[in-house]
Amino acid sequence: DAGVIQSPRHEVTEMGQEVTLRCKPISGHNSLFWYRQTMMRGLELLIYFNNNVPIDDSGMPEDRFSAKMPNASFSTLKIQPSEPRDSAVYFCASSSGTASNQPQHFGDGTRLSIL
Amino acid sequence: GEDVEQSLFLSVREGDSSVINCTYTDSSSTYLYWYKQEPGAGLQLLTYIFSNMDMKQDQRLTVLLNKKDKHLSLRIADTQTGDSAIYFCADLNQAGTALIFGKGTTLSVSS
Repeated sequence: DAGVIQSPRHEVTEMGQEVTLRCKPISGHNSLFWYRQTMMRGLELLIYFNNNVPIDDSGMPEDRFSAKMPNASFSTLKIQPSEPRDSAVYFCASSSGTASNQPQHFGDGTRLSIL
Repeated sequence: GEDVEQSLFLSVREGDSSVINCTYTDSSSTYLYWYKQEPGAGLQLLTYIFSNMDMKQDQRLTVLLNKKDKHLSLRIADTQTGDSAIYFCADLNQAGTALIFGKGTTLSVSS
């Protein structure tokens, strides 16, 4: 079975540019999560969708970050304009229930470098 | 606030047992989780324990939960070089909307 698919795997861009990260959750999963991983802060939740609706976006750092889930099989995380401090690995995860009752399955992440 | 703490490093010899420890602050979780991350990869769900259990065994893995002390441990029996990775303990936040991860324990297995 296909797991969570993220693209691109790596992204290097200059500061000020728009960055779009993509995620395809596991088919049939109705919860989707975006996380950011850095050495300093570890893994942090950015936003959680359930049935395509954002439930918790309290982790989105600022207005430069936005996330959408137009349908059950696709989500994007956009950073505009990007800054060097946004450099991190961004993970997407999905689960078949809510955050509280089903384990989350992670994609391989997008390694983002902002120069 | 909610927090999950882990020791950062553990080094063992091949064939020995590894014990990775975790403490958490929120006691309302239904489940507690252990994830494994290999270099360049995402997090792989290793095992999880229901909060009303004290112990769960899954092949070489044993999870112990002490709810009174808010302490969770993962024991890997007969540790192999392929077990070298970062291990994350995760707890659910109070809102029930997301996992809170520890900083991860890097397990190094030498032959």
